[in-house]
Amino acid sequence: EPEVTQTPSHQVTQMGQEVILRCVPISNHLYFYWYRQILGQKVEFLVSFYNNEISEKSEIFDDQFSVERPDGSNFTLKIRSTKLEDSAMYFCASRRTSGDYEQYFGPGTRLTVT
Amino acid sequence: GDSVTQMEGPVTLSEEAFLTINCTYTATGYPSLFWYVQYPGEGLQLLLKATKADDKGSNKGFEATYRKETTSFHLEKGSVQVSDSAVYFCALSEGSGGSNYKLTFGKGTLLTVNP
Repeated sequence: EPEVTQTPSHQVTQMGQEVILRCVPISNHLYFYWYRQILGQKVEFLVSFYNNEISEKSEIFDDQFSVERPDGSNFTLKIRSTKLEDSAMYFCASRRTSGDYEQYFGPGTRLTVT
Repeated sequence: GDSVTQMEGPVTLSEEAFLTINCTYTATGYPSLFWYVQYPGEGLQLLLKATKADDKGSNKGFEATYRKETTSFHLEKGSVQVSDSAVYFCALSEGSGGSNYKLTFGKGTLLTVNP
Protein backbone atom coordinates (compact mmCIF):
# COMPACT_ATOMS: atom_id res chain seq x y z
CA GLU A 1 0.00 0.00 0.00
CA PRO A 2 1.40 3.42 -0.93
CA GLU A 3 2.50 5.55 1.99
CA VAL A 4 4.00 8.92 2.78
CA THR A 5 7.59 8.72 3.95
CA GLN A 6 9.64 11.28 5.86
CA THR A 7 13.34 11.62 6.54
CA PRO A 8 15.07 11.85 8.87
CA SER A 9 13.04 10.39 11.70
CA HIS A 10 14.96 12.51 14.19
CA GLN A 11 17.06 15.62 13.56
CA VAL A 12 19.10 17.41 16.18
CA THR A 13 20.43 20.85 15.29
CA GLN A 14 21.88 23.90 16.97
CA MET A 15 19.99 27.15 17.25
CA GLY A 16 20.55 29.35 14.21
CA GLN A 17 21.27 26.46 11.85
CA GLU A 18 19.25 25.68 8.74
CA VAL A 19 17.38 22.38 8.53
CA ILE A 20 15.57 20.68 5.67
CA LEU A 21 12.92 18.12 6.43
CA ARG A 22 12.08 15.80 3.58
CA CYS A 23 8.89 14.08 2.59
CA VAL A 24 7.93 11.81 -0.27
CA PRO A 25 4.15 12.05 -0.76
CA ILE A 26 2.08 9.34 -2.41
CA SER A 27 2.87 9.47 -6.11
CA ASN A 28 -0.51 10.39 -7.64
CA HIS A 29 -1.42 12.93 -4.95
CA LEU A 30 -1.76 16.59 -5.82
CA TYR A 31 -2.11 18.43 -2.49
CA PHE A 32 0.62 18.56 0.13
CA TYR A 33 0.73 19.76 3.70
CA TRP A 34 3.05 20.31 6.62
CA TYR A 35 1.85 20.20 10.21
CA ARG A 36 3.75 20.34 13.46
CA GLN A 37 3.14 19.20 17.02
CA ILE A 38 5.05 20.75 19.89
CA LEU A 39 5.33 18.22 22.71
CA GLY A 40 2.11 18.10 24.70
CA GLN A 41 0.29 20.49 22.38
CA LYS A 42 -2.06 20.26 19.42
CA VAL A 43 -1.13 19.27 15.90
CA GLU A 44 -1.03 22.62 14.05
CA PHE A 45 -1.34 23.38 10.36
CA LEU A 46 1.68 25.10 8.84
CA VAL A 47 1.21 25.23 5.08
CA SER A 48 -0.55 23.69 2.12
CA PHE A 49 0.89 23.39 -1.37
CA TYR A 50 -0.77 22.75 -4.71
CA ASN A 51 0.28 23.19 -8.32
CA ASN A 52 3.78 24.23 -7.27
CA GLU A 53 2.70 27.06 -5.06
CA ILE A 54 1.57 27.70 -1.50
CA SER A 55 -2.23 27.68 -1.32
CA GLU A 56 -2.51 28.61 2.34
CA LYS A 57 -0.19 29.21 5.27
CA SER A 58 -0.70 29.78 8.96
CA GLU A 59 0.71 32.63 11.00
CA ILE A 60 3.34 30.19 12.32
CA PHE A 61 4.75 29.91 8.78
CA ASP A 62 6.81 33.08 8.77
CA ASP A 63 9.75 34.12 6.62
CA GLN A 64 11.99 31.55 8.31
CA PHE A 65 10.01 28.75 6.69
CA SER A 66 9.84 27.72 3.06
CA VAL A 67 8.56 24.74 1.12
CA GLU A 68 9.60 23.30 -2.18
CA ARG A 69 8.82 20.43 -4.48
CA PRO A 70 12.16 20.30 -6.26
CA ASP A 71 11.84 17.21 -8.42
CA GLY A 72 8.24 16.06 -8.66
CA SER A 73 8.58 13.49 -5.89
CA ASN A 74 10.10 15.16 -2.82
CA PHE A 75 8.34 17.84 -0.79
CA THR A 76 10.62 19.70 1.58
CA LEU A 77 10.23 22.05 4.52
CA LYS A 78 13.17 24.35 5.18
CA ILE A 79 13.69 26.30 8.37
CA ARG A 80 16.31 28.94 7.68
CA SER A 81 17.52 29.79 11.16
CA THR A 82 16.15 27.46 13.79
CA LYS A 83 14.99 28.64 17.18
CA LEU A 84 14.52 26.63 20.36
CA GLU A 85 10.74 26.93 19.94
CA ASP A 86 10.93 25.16 16.57
CA SER A 87 11.53 21.90 18.45
CA ALA A 88 8.54 19.75 17.54
CA MET A 89 7.33 16.75 15.56
CA TYR A 90 6.77 17.75 11.93
CA PHE A 91 4.24 15.79 9.88
CA CYS A 92 3.91 15.78 6.13
CA ALA A 93 0.60 14.83 4.52
CA SER A 94 -0.75 14.45 1.01
CA ARG A 95 -4.18 14.31 -0.54
CA ARG A 96 -5.23 12.97 -3.91
CA THR A 97 -7.80 15.28 -5.50
CA SER A 98 -10.00 18.26 -4.77
CA GLY A 99 -13.00 16.06 -3.91
CA ASP A 100 -11.13 13.61 -1.70
CA TYR A 101 -11.10 14.64 1.97
CA GLU A 102 -8.58 12.15 3.31
CA GLN A 103 -5.08 13.30 4.05
CA TYR A 104 -2.41 10.60 4.30
CA PHE A 105 0.23 11.33 6.90
CA GLY A 106 3.86 10.37 7.18
CA PRO A 107 5.40 9.10 10.44
CA GLY A 108 6.87 12.48 11.27
CA THR A 109 10.31 13.97 11.87
CA ARG A 110 11.22 14.89 15.42
CA LEU A 111 13.25 18.12 15.32
CA THR A 112 15.26 19.01 18.41
CA VAL A 113 16.89 22.44 18.50
CA THR A 114 19.57 22.87 21.17
CA GLY B 1 -11.36 30.71 13.97
CA ASP B 2 -12.03 27.00 13.95
CA SER B 3 -11.14 24.93 17.01
CA VAL B 4 -11.50 21.41 18.36
CA THR B 5 -11.66 20.45 22.01
CA GLN B 6 -11.30 16.84 23.03
CA MET B 7 -11.25 14.96 26.25
CA GLU B 8 -7.95 15.16 28.04
CA GLY B 9 -6.19 11.90 28.63
CA PRO B 10 -4.71 9.60 29.35
CA VAL B 11 -7.52 7.07 29.34
CA THR B 12 -6.82 3.59 30.70
CA LEU B 13 -9.32 0.79 30.20
CA SER B 14 -9.48 -2.95 30.58
CA GLU B 15 -10.01 -5.11 27.53
CA GLU B 16 -13.68 -5.33 26.46
CA ALA B 17 -14.59 -2.09 28.25
CA PHE B 18 -16.71 0.59 26.59
CA LEU B 19 -14.85 3.61 25.23
CA THR B 20 -16.02 7.17 24.80
CA ILE B 21 -13.71 10.03 23.88
CA ASN B 22 -15.53 13.35 23.77
CA CYS B 23 -14.93 15.91 21.04
CA THR B 24 -16.61 19.26 20.46
CA TYR B 25 -15.85 21.82 17.81
CA THR B 26 -16.26 25.46 16.84
CA ALA B 27 -16.44 26.33 13.16
CA THR B 28 -17.66 29.20 11.04
CA GLY B 29 -19.30 27.05 8.37
CA TYR B 30 -20.21 23.40 7.92
CA PRO B 31 -17.06 21.40 8.49
CA SER B 32 -16.23 17.78 7.82
CA LEU B 33 -15.24 15.91 10.96
CA PHE B 34 -12.60 13.23 11.44
CA TRP B 35 -11.01 10.94 13.94
CA TYR B 36 -7.36 10.12 13.33
CA VAL B 37 -5.37 7.49 15.22
CA GLN B 38 -1.64 7.34 15.81
CA TYR B 39 -0.12 4.02 16.80
CA PRO B 40 3.33 4.09 18.45
CA GLY B 41 6.04 5.03 15.98
CA GLU B 42 3.63 5.59 13.10
CA GLY B 43 1.96 8.50 11.34
CA LEU B 44 -1.61 9.70 11.72
CA GLN B 45 -4.16 7.38 10.09
CA LEU B 46 -7.72 8.30 9.28
CA LEU B 47 -10.01 6.20 11.48
CA LEU B 48 -13.40 7.55 10.39
CA LYS B 49 -15.08 10.62 9.02
CA ALA B 50 -18.45 12.34 8.65
CA THR B 51 -19.11 15.09 6.17
CA LYS B 52 -22.54 16.40 7.16
CA ALA B 53 -24.91 16.63 10.12
CA ASP B 54 -26.31 13.32 11.43
CA ASP B 55 -23.80 11.28 9.42
CA LYS B 56 -22.29 8.39 11.35
CA GLY B 57 -18.72 7.43 10.57
CA SER B 58 -17.63 3.92 11.48
CA ASN B 59 -14.56 1.73 11.12
CA LYS B 60 -12.99 -1.18 13.01
CA GLY B 61 -15.81 -1.14 15.58
CA PHE B 62 -15.39 2.58 16.28
CA GLU B 63 -18.16 5.02 15.48
CA ALA B 64 -18.93 8.70 15.82
CA THR B 65 -22.00 10.73 14.89
CA TYR B 66 -21.87 14.32 13.59
CA ARG B 67 -24.16 16.26 15.93
CA LYS B 68 -24.66 19.80 14.66
CA GLU B 69 -27.00 20.80 17.49
CA THR B 70 -24.36 20.04 20.13
CA THR B 71 -21.33 20.65 17.84
CA SER B 72 -19.96 17.27 18.87
CA PHE B 73 -18.36 14.20 17.31
CA HIS B 74 -17.74 11.78 20.18
CA LEU B 75 -15.82 8.60 19.47
CA GLU B 76 -17.21 5.33 20.83
CA LYS B 77 -16.35 1.67 20.78
CA GLY B 78 -18.34 -1.03 22.52
CA SER B 79 -15.48 -3.36 23.41
CA VAL B 80 -11.87 -2.20 23.21
CA GLN B 81 -8.90 -4.45 22.57
CA VAL B 82 -5.27 -4.16 23.61
CA SER B 83 -4.45 -3.38 19.97
CA ASP B 84 -6.57 -0.20 20.19
CA SER B 85 -3.95 1.39 22.43
CA ALA B 86 -2.94 4.57 20.59
CA VAL B 87 -3.40 8.33 20.53
CA TYR B 88 -6.73 9.48 19.07
CA PHE B 89 -7.14 12.90 17.45
CA CYS B 90 -10.40 14.62 16.62
CA ALA B 91 -10.14 17.04 13.69
CA LEU B 92 -12.19 19.20 11.39
CA SER B 93 -11.74 20.54 7.92
CA GLU B 94 -13.50 23.32 6.07
CA GLY B 95 -13.23 23.16 2.33
CA SER B 96 -13.42 26.85 1.49
CA GLY B 97 -14.25 26.15 -2.11
CA GLY B 98 -12.85 22.66 -2.19
CA SER B 99 -9.19 23.21 -2.79
CA ASN B 100 -7.51 23.22 0.59
CA TYR B 101 -9.15 21.16 3.37
CA LYS B 102 -6.52 21.97 5.97
CA LEU B 103 -7.13 20.09 9.20
CA THR B 104 -7.66 21.65 12.63
CA PHE B 105 -6.86 19.12 15.35
CA GLY B 106 -7.69 18.56 18.98
CA LYS B 107 -4.89 17.88 21.42
CA GLY B 108 -5.12 14.10 21.22
CA THR B 109 -6.15 11.50 23.80
CA LEU B 110 -3.83 8.67 24.75
CA LEU B 111 -5.73 5.42 25.20
CA THR B 112 -4.13 2.46 26.94
CA VAL B 113 -6.00 -0.84 27.02
CA ASN B 114 -4.80 -3.44 29.52
CA PRO B 115 -5.37 -7.17 29.08
